Amino acid sequence: GESVGLHLPTLSVQEGDNSIINCAYSNSASDYFIWYKQESGKGPQFIIDIRSNMDKRQGQRVTVLLNKTVKHLSLQIAATQPGDSAVYFCAENSGTSYGKLTFGQGTILTVHP
Amino acid sequence: DTEVTQTPKHLVMGMTNKKSLKCEQHMGHRAMYWYKQKAKKPPELMFVYSYEKLSINESVPSRFSPECPNSSLLNLHLHALQPEDSALYLCASSLGTGPQETQYFGPGTRLLVL
Repeated sequence: GESVGLHLPTLSVQEGDNSIINCAYSNSASDYFIWYKQESGKGPQFIIDIRSNMDKRQGQRVTVLLNKTVKHLSLQIAATQPGDSAVYFCAENSGTSYGKLTFGQGTILTVHP
Repeated sequence: DTEVTQTPKHLVMGMTNKKSLKCEQHMGHRAMYWYKQKAKKPPELMFVYSYEKLSINESVPSRFSPECPNSSLLNLHLHALQPEDSALYLCASSLGTGPQETQYFGPGTRLLVL
């Protein structure tokens, strides 16, 4: 079936480094992608989104890149801080009209001081 | 304000109990969702309400019964649950259910079924 997946389940970085979290998706019809951050004991928090008519979008310290040719999505976090430590999920909208999101398996980001 | 609230934060119930989870948002969103999340796994969609009508049921067992009393409230009624139903139950909302709508999540209710 269609799925959204991640290349790396864990990522460990030093404070101040840049982090890159990757996500592969398989539904070529998907036209909307979201990155969520989930801290321990909390619900997923919206970070940034991107539509399929774009290949890059920037937020505060975060950038999402979309490569539709290879169905790849990445989240770049600049100057990573200990507060960025969390599980990061990519999610895609399957293209139906009901807002159904399909989540990737998640990447655990650990930032060491 | 992108806040979705959920009560209770934690719930312990026996297999014969009846309980309800509650979710509320005041962002004027017309779509609301229930997700189930097991430890170290991504959220899994259970139900979608659009304009207070159930639009998606992801083949969820009948021991879970959703209810949308009005556009701001979403309930999940629980009855005769099994221990494997223990999980984090997340509520989310979005402005609509179009293909490019952002879903905003609540903090979840952590449920333990004994």
